Amino acid sequence: GNSVTQMEGPVTLSEEAFLTINCTYTATGYPSLFWYVQYPGEGLQLLLKATKADDKGSNKGFEATYRKETTSFHLEKGSVQVSDSAVYFCALRRAGKSTFGDGTTLTVKP
Amino acid sequence: GAGVSQTPSNKVTEKGKYVELRCDPISGHTALYWYRQSLGQGPEFLIYFQGTGAADDSGLPNDRFFAVRPEGSVSTLKIQRTERGDSAVYLCASSLLDGGAAGELFFGEGSRLTVL
Repeated sequence: GNSVTQMEGPVTLSEEAFLTINCTYTATGYPSLFWYVQYPGEGLQLLLKATKADDKGSNKGFEATYRKETTSFHLEKGSVQVSDSAVYFCALRRAGKSTFGDGTTLTVKP
Repeated sequence: GAGVSQTPSNKVTEKGKYVELRCDPISGHTALYWYRQSLGQGPEFLIYFQGTGAADDSGLPNDRFFAVRPEGSVSTLKIQRTERGDSAVYLCASSLLDGGAAGELFFGEGSRLTVL
């Protein structure tokens, strides 16, 4: 079956540090890949997505590239802010069903 | 409001009782999803509706769980004879596109169920 494995947290960084959250997947066929974010007290919301190999999704300074050869979709940001503190979920979507990783909690300190 | 609305936001019940959780999707979204999220884990797929019909219910854990969407809009997740292991946050999401496309899921804030 389909599965998503993402870097365990929690991750604590200082403001302006570089962020990487690793995500790898196992899937049949060609899934679409997503990063969702959950800010404190809010629901899950889409951060970025990529629908085919070598696509790069980007939003709010975050980027992730769909790497079919390594089945990965790592999330990166060059300079994190305190407001980026949240839980980040990597997900794949195939045949109507989305499969999520267990989430990585990021805390950014001033 | 314009987002996905879930009620109740919190539900505490006793073991063995019946529970209904409601989801009101974004207007015009034909696809509706139910997920369950336990503490420290990602959302776990339960069921997906396209219109009024369940397109995929393979994630429902057993026959105590049932969901309906009679008019293709509001959906109700029904749990019979609740057990303590059913305690979790139940998330609803809707999407403009069907399962074959890379449609973004729009999530509600969830219904937190606690079974005592």
